[in-house]
Amino acid sequence: AQTVTQSQPEMSVQEAETVTLSCTYDTSESNYYLFWYKQPPSRQMILVIRQEAYKQQNATENRFSVNFQKAAKSFSLKISDSQLGDTAMYFCAFADSGNTPLVFGKGTRLSVIA
Amino acid sequence: DAGVTQSPTHLIKTRGQQVTLRCSPKSGHDTVSWYQQALGQGPQFIFQYYEEEERQRGNFPDRFSGHQFPNYSSELNVNALLLGDSALYLCASSILGGSGEDTQYFGPGTRLTVL
Repeated sequence: AQTVTQSQPEMSVQEAETVTLSCTYDTSESNYYLFWYKQPPSRQMILVIRQEAYKQQNATENRFSVNFQKAAKSFSLKISDSQLGDTAMYFCAFADSGNTPLVFGKGTRLSVIA
Repeated sequence: DAGVTQSPTHLIKTRGQQVTLRCSPKSGHDTVSWYQQALGQGPQFIFQYYEEEERQRGNFPDRFSGHQFPNYSSELNVNALLLGDSALYLCASSILGGSGEDTQYFGPGTRLTVL
């Protein structure tokens, strides 16, 4: 069974600074999907970024980018120019395909400090 | 374009009771997945519905059952509630097949408290 590990339960960053959240996963599949979701106090799980394993280029969405290291089974999220609105729980998730069940890590609580 | 909606927002039940949670998928989506998120944990997959059939199921007891209607909306039913069923229940919708829209989009969740 696939597993997802987020080793940083909590992190904090100063506003406008850069922070990196770590995620490792375990799978025997060669093609799969990786996601970062954000869950603010409002509880709504919001998709931040998605990476398909067969694509070598790291995904980027505005201030959010990933460092996908397939051989190391690592999928970290970098948030640049952190904003107060980035304060939330961040979950890393794995799926065999876009529609198969998501396997989530335990999350990292990120606090952006003014 | 309406996103995924869930009702009710909050629910309080007592042990042994039964509960029904509802989900309407994002417009154009045909697949609904349900997740349980215990406090301080990541969501865990309960089951997925497509074409009114349960397509996949996670490691949850038969007390958890579901249904999908012809308009793609879905219900999650939990019988004989236990204290441990207290959690945030999340619904996610997607399109089976095709590219670009097979990502799962989540609703705001239903907070269930079992006393």
